[in-house]
Amino acid sequence: SYELTQPPSVSVSPGQTARITCSGDALPKQYAYWYQQKPGQAPVLVIYKDSERPSGIPERFSGSSSGTTVTLTISGVQAEDEADYYCQSADSSGTYGVFGGGTKLTVL
Amino acid sequence: QVQLVQSGAEVKKPGASVKVSCKVSGYTLTELSMHWVRQAPGKGLEWMGGFDPEDGETIYAQKFQGRVTMTEDTSTDTAYMELSSLRSEDTAVYYCATGEVGSGFDYWGQGTLVTVSS
Repeated sequence: SYELTQPPSVSVSPGQTARITCSGDALPKQYAYWYQQKPGQAPVLVIYKDSERPSGIPERFSGSSSGTTVTLTISGVQAEDEADYYCQSADSSGTYGVFGGGTKLTVL
Repeated sequence: QVQLVQSGAEVKKPGASVKVSCKVSGYTLTELSMHWVRQAPGKGLEWMGGFDPEDGETIYAQKFQGRVTMTEDTSTDTAYMELSSLRSEDTAVYYCATGEVGSGFDYWGQGTLVTVSS
């Protein structure tokens, strides 16, 4: 079955830039989506269609795509950004959904 | 603004079935595509299935085919997810979410904890 691969953890100091990658063979063909999840809460969509930001999401969140890898970038990381981040996409047929394994962002 | 309110926590024995509900407000269920995602304790998100508006059918992840049924009651704007033959590995928080696999999931329910234990 199709898989998306993320690093298990990323650590940055406040004010620095965090980059979280997500790799998958179908990503050149399918859009990627990013979700932020804090403990005990439901996920929140922070990036859609690789690089678009929903209303209400701070400008420091951005997304990009290159080949089979998409990247979530958080510029000027704040303590409140500490959370788990998941990428999500569809398989090459666009039928089945898939999530990456998740990346725990730690703000030092 | 879409709001999704799920049913309360459940405790089930192995082999039993569970049915989780997701009540929609702010929109009608016919205007939305509903999906279900689960998260085992300390683990990541797992897509279970949902409605594909292109085909007009409900698509299930291969892992759950034969064991999961997703239905909708448009008269009450409530979606349901029923999982049968429960085992301990099915212990998880189950979320309903609106959207499509190729368009992302923009609104989420609060989650329903299902515990499978003898």
